[in-house]
Amino acid sequence: GAGVSQSPSNKVTEKGKDVELRCDPISGHTALYWYRQSLGQGLEFLIYFQGNSAPDKSGLPSDRFSAERTGGSVSTLTIQRTQQEDSAVYLCASSLVGYTEAFFGQGTRLTVV
Amino acid sequence: DQQVKQNSPSLSVQEGRISILNCDYTNSMFDYFLWYKKYPAEGPTFLISISSIKDKNEDGRFTVFLNKSAKHLSLHIVPSQPGDSAVYFCAASRSNDYKLSFGAGTTVTVRA
Repeated sequence: GAGVSQSPSNKVTEKGKDVELRCDPISGHTALYWYRQSLGQGLEFLIYFQGNSAPDKSGLPSDRFSAERTGGSVSTLTIQRTQQEDSAVYLCASSLVGYTEAFFGQGTRLTVV
Repeated sequence: DQQVKQNSPSLSVQEGRISILNCDYTNSMFDYFLWYKKYPAEGPTFLISISSIKDKNEDGRFTVFLNKSAKHLSLHIVPSQPGDSAVYFCAASRSNDYKLSFGAGTTVTVRA
């Protein structure tokens, strides 16, 4: 596609439920990032995928968070047993290897009630 | 630990005047700096960047200045236009690590 696509754009879930957020990066971009923005905060790094290398998971806030990237393209961020503090906008971005200018999707607004 | 800081959460400026956004960083290993612009309900879009080997980069109405000794960068928008009203994020990275560290953002409002 022309840009980074994320789905769903909005998700409301009950506390304790699991959610899956999807990211479809720009074709040919081997680097993929997940960030989140909580209300009034900056973008917080979650996880980084680069080609076939082991992902950098250093930003994942707890073991309830996991992400995978299948076939070097689409990525899914999974949050298990959601908590209210997980409410945020989750942003996916992709870039070419060696380029730091990442292109962001429109984000998924997650609300845990 | 917030390695990139934008201490002004908001800025209001008259149309046609200069907008100056400031950003400070603490990690001396950062050598690449970017500004992103974000409209409501959209993802951030890349605006302008600067490498640590330079102290200024200009692109049309947007200029970024880097002061490495002060660990400070700024974004100048001249002249400011109503369409510039958005949230601006400062970001930094190391050349051997493409992970971006972002500031909290500055909301710019350009008054007509």
